[in-house]
Amino acid sequence: QKEVEQDPGPLSVPEGAIVSLNCTYSNSAFQYFMWYRQYSRKGPELLMYTYSSGNKEDGRFTAQVDKSSKYISLFIRDSQPSDSATYLCAMSAYSSASKIIFGSGTRLSIRP
Amino acid sequence: EADIYQTPRYLVIGTGKKITLECSQTMGHDKMYWYQQDPGMELHLIHYSYGVNSTEKGDLSSESTVSRIRTEHFPLTLESARPSHTSQYLCASSEPLQGNYGYTFGSGTRLTVV
Repeated sequence: QKEVEQDPGPLSVPEGAIVSLNCTYSNSAFQYFMWYRQYSRKGPELLMYTYSSGNKEDGRFTAQVDKSSKYISLFIRDSQPSDSATYLCAMSAYSSASKIIFGSGTRLSIRP
Repeated sequence: EADIYQTPRYLVIGTGKKITLECSQTMGHDKMYWYQQDPGMELHLIHYSYGVNSTEKGDLSSESTVSRIRTEHFPLTLESARPSHTSQYLCASSEPLQGNYGYTFGSGTRLTVV
């Protein structure tokens, strides 16, 4: 079983829709939860991260972590065509020696 | 704009050739990483370094080798390329306090071995 599971999509929604992206994980030691965005032919870029449980909002993006269910989500409000990309969830434990474990990514397309 | 650079961006090479993928960062980060990414698959860590003269193998077995002689430079070498090495290779770096969440990635090298 993979440590991090992510639906690969593709997911296609009309412009202006609310998008929900999700990941599940199995390692209860994970404390940092991240979302990276990867445009075609580019490396991933950190979108936002949260530590432990709870919500975090940054503009049109909201990240949620439910550690009891081992489930994380990224919501995108008022989606734009420029949001079309692959979104990777990622997680790591608290130890400074921990490496980041990435999901396989969800390909998102926003239709104008 | 990311301050981590990978060259070449694309490389098509014949089986048996020796290749070196370059990665340089200008941020002074001690921690650097090499990931392998295939389409629709998660990133797999193949090598990492926590500083000069420090290199470790990652979770995914790889026939490649790395070196870290200077802080800013973390090249990856394949002594004899094979078609199974065809993949995208991503280099990343992080500050010590952001090693758990804040990686900066390069744009990657897409390698094709024919």
